[in-house]
Amino acid sequence: AQSVAQPEDQVNVAEGNPLTVKCTYSVSGNPYLFWYVQYPNRGLQFLLKYITGDNLVKGSYGFEAEFNKSQTSFHLKKPSALVSDSALYFCAVTIITGGGNKLTFGTGTQLKVEL
Amino acid sequence: NAGVTQTPKFQVLKTGQSMTLQCAQDMNHEYMSWYRQDPGMGLRLIHYSVGAGITDQGEVPNGYNVSRSTTEDFPLRLLSAAPSQTSVYFCASSYGEAGELFFGEGSRLTVL
Repeated sequence: AQSVAQPEDQVNVAEGNPLTVKCTYSVSGNPYLFWYVQYPNRGLQFLLKYITGDNLVKGSYGFEAEFNKSQTSFHLKKPSALVSDSALYFCAVTIITGGGNKLTFGTGTQLKVEL
Repeated sequence: NAGVTQTPKFQVLKTGQSMTLQCAQDMNHEYMSWYRQDPGMGLRLIHYSVGAGITDQGEVPNGYNVSRSTTEDFPLRLLSAAPSQTSVYFCASSYGEAGELFFGEGSRLTVL
């Protein structure tokens, strides 16, 4: 079975500072990893994904994530946080089985960026 | 493109009532799925489909039915609502098995 852990329920950071939202995963096979963001009362929006290749993945709104196979981690990062980045962030994982797009999500991390 | 459209946005049911959450997408995606979101639990997969006429169960399928008669539509039926089904439901679609998911705006369901 596949699983995702987001160890922090909430991350607080000052605007302009770098941010990191942590994610570790467990799968049997090659992982496909995703980050999604959810603003209040909205659906989830795709930020970025890792399939293969370069371990540093760049995505929307200046976000990036680093895939670390040995640590089974896929942490989300941004060099300079904005107040508008405040939202709920989800990490997700899947593997290719030929049987549908079945993502397993973490429990989410609330990011608060303060002035 | 409207993307993924879910209706209704809000619904209150009494225990034992049935209802259908509608989901439609206009992106010609083969893959569609239903998730429920509960506080502290992230999103959990209820049912999914890999194309018209093909559906399968996800992690939490009990109490829910789905069908996929067309590529565009993927309704979720609650057969006999229970308070444990109080949740926010999201429909999603994707192009390909590991493609990015496009989510609807969600349907907030309360079962009394």
